[in-house]
Amino acid sequence: DAGITQSPRYKITETGRQVTLMCHQTWSHSYMFWYRQDLGHGLRLIYYSAAADITDKGEVPDGYVVSRSKTENFPLTLESATRSQTSVYFCASSVGRNTIYFGEGSWLTVV
Amino acid sequence: ELKVEQNPLFLSMQEGKNYTIYCNYSTTSDRLYWYRQDPGKSLESLFVLLSNGAVKQEGRLMASLDTKARLSTLHITAAVHDLSATYFCAFSDSGYALNFGKGTSLLVTP
Repeated sequence: DAGITQSPRYKITETGRQVTLMCHQTWSHSYMFWYRQDLGHGLRLIYYSAAADITDKGEVPDGYVVSRSKTENFPLTLESATRSQTSVYFCASSVGRNTIYFGEGSWLTVV
Repeated sequence: ELKVEQNPLFLSMQEGKNYTIYCNYSTTSDRLYWYRQDPGKSLESLFVLLSNGAVKQEGRLMASLDTKARLSTLHITAAVHDLSATYFCAFSDSGYALNFGKGTSLLVTP
């Protein structure tokens, strides 16, 4: 049972470059989420998706783009990376509201 | 604005001692979550509290929820080193997305 996987796990990129973080889940969960974790801020919601082709903004969506053409995939794209987007990114999924499962995280450094 | 305030943010405690982490949230919520995170790792679900007065216990951790006061507590009994981690509370106002607190970094020392 692979669960929820994120790739890449670690990435260093330059300011201005486009970066895509991938998220794949094997459970066919309808809901998927992207959070970023920064010291002193906890986790903040970037985008979420209730189903394929349905996405919505979270608390901090600026500078990010998401898509969900298939239920199992929810990629997050930084169109033009900035240093302020250096963070740990967590993908998550859920089928109901009682348990949300988190991926292992993607560590992104923008230099 | 949806806000979650945890306190303390940092906690150093001796093994064998008891302590409580507090979580206040800003709006009506029908469920409250507690997660644990070890350094460099993902988040692990500890508890989901679904109603006013709910209490759940797992080992040395006990969580409770008071929806009228918009307060949840995570009580640690007779702490051991293995409990050292960061603990997050989160609430969901009505939808599926969670709003997280900043986390409480717990260090249990001999």
